[in-house]
Amino acid sequence: EVQLVESGGGLVQPGRSLRLSCAASGFTFDDYAMHWVRQAPGKGLEWVSGISWNSGRIDYADSVKGRFTISRDNAKNSLYLQMNSLRAEDTALYFCAKDNGYSGYDCYFGYWGQGTLVTVSS
Amino acid sequence: EIVLTQSPGTLSLSPGERATLSCRASQSVSSSYLAWYQQKPGQAPRLLIYGASTRATGIPDRFSGSGSGTDFTLTISRLEPEDFAVYYCQQYGSSPWTFGQGTKVEIK
Repeated sequence: EVQLVESGGGLVQPGRSLRLSCAASGFTFDDYAMHWVRQAPGKGLEWVSGISWNSGRIDYADSVKGRFTISRDNAKNSLYLQMNSLRAEDTALYFCAKDNGYSGYDCYFGYWGQGTLVTVSS
Repeated sequence: EIVLTQSPGTLSLSPGERATLSCRASQSVSSSYLAWYQQKPGQAPRLLIYGASTRATGIPDRFSGSGSGTDFTLTISRLEPEDFAVYYCQQYGSSPWTFGQGTKVEIK
């Protein structure tokens, strides 16, 4: 069974940093691209960042480019999101999502974690 | 960036009725790279449809997707009680990958 478990969220002041993690199990992690998708409270979904299976391709939404860094450790079956210079508008539930394409970069999401909440407030 | 506009914002229907949800793109979605997701309160989204019309694994056949270019539709042929939720479309043909704002299907 595919499982994605996010961690690392919390309350942080504007301008500070936070690192999110996603622990994956139930599938061959290094066969799939992975993504972060966020959802502000009461709002819709926003794709944040994606990384290919071998980290050869990385993409960011314009809203986080230059502030957020996605990475993965295939030996640890883990995905990360380093978030710097956080703003109030980054407040959201952050989901880890598995790309649906085997060995590809299809960028639609067949499995999701339950999310970790990031609140940016002074 | 491709902007996806979903309509209506809210659909009020009774169980057993047919639901038709629309997703319109600001420019053509290449190769019909469009997906639909269902999200219930407090839960993560669930993939329903990809490639505009292919049902994901385990999705009942009352869910169907259609369309191409800039106009796409999700149809639920007969609403079951568990189908009342928010539905999002998402395009994955052109980065950045974008979502529509969602359509809420509520019980009338």
